Amino acid sequence: SQQGEEDPQALSIQEGENATMNCSYKTSINNLQWYRQNSGRGLVHLILIRSNEREKHSGRLRVTLDTSKKSSSLLITASRAADTASYFCATEAHNAGNMLTFGGGTRLMVKP
Amino acid sequence: ETGVTQTPRHLVMGMTNKKSLKCEQHLGHNAMYWYKQSAKKPLELMFVYSLEERVENNSVPSRFSPECPNSSHLFLHLHTLQPEDSALYLCASSQGLSLTEAFFGQGTRLTVV
Repeated sequence: SQQGEEDPQALSIQEGENATMNCSYKTSINNLQWYRQNSGRGLVHLILIRSNEREKHSGRLRVTLDTSKKSSSLLITASRAADTASYFCATEAHNAGNMLTFGGGTRLMVKP
Repeated sequence: ETGVTQTPRHLVMGMTNKKSLKCEQHLGHNAMYWYKQSAKKPLELMFVYSLEERVENNSVPSRFSPECPNSSHLFLHLHTLQPEDSALYLCASSQGLSLTEAFFGQGTRLTVV
């Protein structure tokens, strides 16, 4: 079953703007990860945040985790056309044998 | 280049054919996965191998048969598939099963005709 659900399903912004994507999940987790996928290609890991962490940064990426609300957000600052891709959250949950379960993804389009 | 290589990249097969997808990882990882990605559906975990033993089989039809001969190689044998099996099949590997990132191959785009 789907654990993580991303919101919005699609997002279109201008280059230079910030993009925020949200992920909600249902059960307690060990960690939450964000991945990026260019059209028809494999997924690339972006960032992992543990259940006892609240915020993490990597370059232009900022991830937050609120375990009380069972939600996470991915912020991409100063977006570029090359950021156009689908972004997925994946949760490692206790009740799923610690296997990664992916959400449906957010399709981000950054217009030059 | 993620260190996980999948072949072929594209495959078209008839419903009566038998084919195999291959995945090879050069990262020294001890866990490997098969995922299925269909249009407008979340990524579905199909099989997980840890230390060459299958640890997860997510109610996948028997027309999909995985094989993990060693920690670097993973196969997905296909036979008598249905058109709804057309999808992008992704292989991934990781070091351990928990608190670890997964490295994905580029996928095999499978079309069943």
